[in-house]
Amino acid sequence: GENVEQHPSTLSVQEGDSAVIKCTYSDSASNYFPWYKQELGKRPQLIIDIRSNVGEKKDQRIAVTLNKTAKHFSLHITETQPEDSAVYFCAAISSGSARQLTFGSGTQLTVLP
Amino acid sequence: NAGVTQTPKFQVLKTGQSMTLQCAQDMNHEYMSWYRQDPGMGLRLIHYSVGAGITDQGEVPNGYNVSRSTTEDFPLRLLSAAPSQTSVYFCASSWGQSGETQYFGPGTRLLVL
Repeated sequence: GENVEQHPSTLSVQEGDSAVIKCTYSDSASNYFPWYKQELGKRPQLIIDIRSNVGEKKDQRIAVTLNKTAKHFSLHITETQPEDSAVYFCAAISSGSARQLTFGSGTQLTVLP
Repeated sequence: NAGVTQTPKFQVLKTGQSMTLQCAQDMNHEYMSWYRQDPGMGLRLIHYSVGAGITDQGEVPNGYNVSRSTTEDFPLRLLSAAPSQTSVYFCASSWGQSGETQYFGPGTRLLVL
């Protein structure tokens, strides 16, 4: 099955700086890669996703890049703000008949004022 | 729309007891899933369903049963609770059968003594 590894597990940045979170996946057939943000005590919420036919996708201050050859994808947050502090999860879904979402272990992002 | 709802919000069980976690969605989504979230381990898929009458196992199905008699409801049953099942349980749903763009419920926090 799919295996998703996520790094780093914790990340602290100064307000206004950029943050980058990286994930690798094992199944070359995976074709959908979402990122979820989870605030303390809340449910995970989808913030951005990318499909395997696209190399990069942006939405305001967040962007995701995908390198299919290396089987890794990254989340980039620019001009970080205190409200960006949360746990971020990457995930991957394979293109097979068993459509299961496999999550990384999460990154605790802290934006320091 | 209420989106994805879960009950109860919090439950304490004794070892060996059984219970059902409820999940419902009012978005006419075909795909529904159950995850457990443990510290440092991200979200792990327990069971999922791509439509009424169709269910399948995820990564960690042992000790749990599901059924999908209607499009709206996807209950998760713990057959004989064990302390290892202490966790936060999230239900999610998405349109179609792809498992993409999943919307999560608020979660159920379960403590097994």
